[in-house]
Amino acid sequence: KQEVTQIPAALSVPEGENLVLNCSFTDSAIYNLQWFRQDPGKGLTSLLLIQSSQREQTSGRLNASLDKSSGRSTLYIAASQPGDSATYLCAVEGPTGGFKTIFGAGTRLFVKA
Amino acid sequence: EADIYQTPRYLVIGTGKKITLECSQTMGHDKMYWYQQDPGMELHLIHYSYGVNSTEKGDLSSESTVSRIRTEHFPLTLESARPSHTSQYLCASSEQGAGTGELFFGEGSRLTVL
Repeated sequence: KQEVTQIPAALSVPEGENLVLNCSFTDSAIYNLQWFRQDPGKGLTSLLLIQSSQREQTSGRLNASLDKSSGRSTLYIAASQPGDSATYLCAVEGPTGGFKTIFGAGTRLFVKA
Repeated sequence: EADIYQTPRYLVIGTGKKITLECSQTMGHDKMYWYQQDPGMELHLIHYSYGVNSTEKGDLSSESTVSRIRTEHFPLTLESARPSHTSQYLCASSEQGAGTGELFFGEGSRLTVL
């Protein structure tokens, strides 16, 4: 059974700091890994999608890496801003569990001005 | 920007009422999903569909039902709402094929049952 774990559960940093969010998964047989952002009371916004054959993806100040063999992904946020405050979730899609996407519980990020 | 829409965004109803949450996408995606999420908690998959006339129950047992008569619509219905159904319901879609796609979410429908 695929399980996705995100560490830390919550993080508070001062504005301008670079930070790393971690995601691990138990079954390395995945098709892709996706990072999302969720603001309170809203839906999820897709940030980055990494296919299983890829090692990383970048979008603006965000960089996500994937090490499939070790079951790990990181989301790096450069020069954090108060507007980055949100919950960040990672999710994996794979054959385990019938091709459904499995989500982690998320990391709640607060960037202080 | 994802083209997936949910209505209503907010709904407050009394116990015993029948409600339908609408979800529509204009991306031609075959795969659609319903997730349930309580405030500050994890997402739980309650229903999914791989195409027209295909519906499956998710990992979390739910008293709701779904239908998929058209590719673009995936409505969720509660025949008799109860306070325990109070939650946020999130609809999502992705392309067909294993591992092909990005998952896109709607804004969510927040349901409160009094």
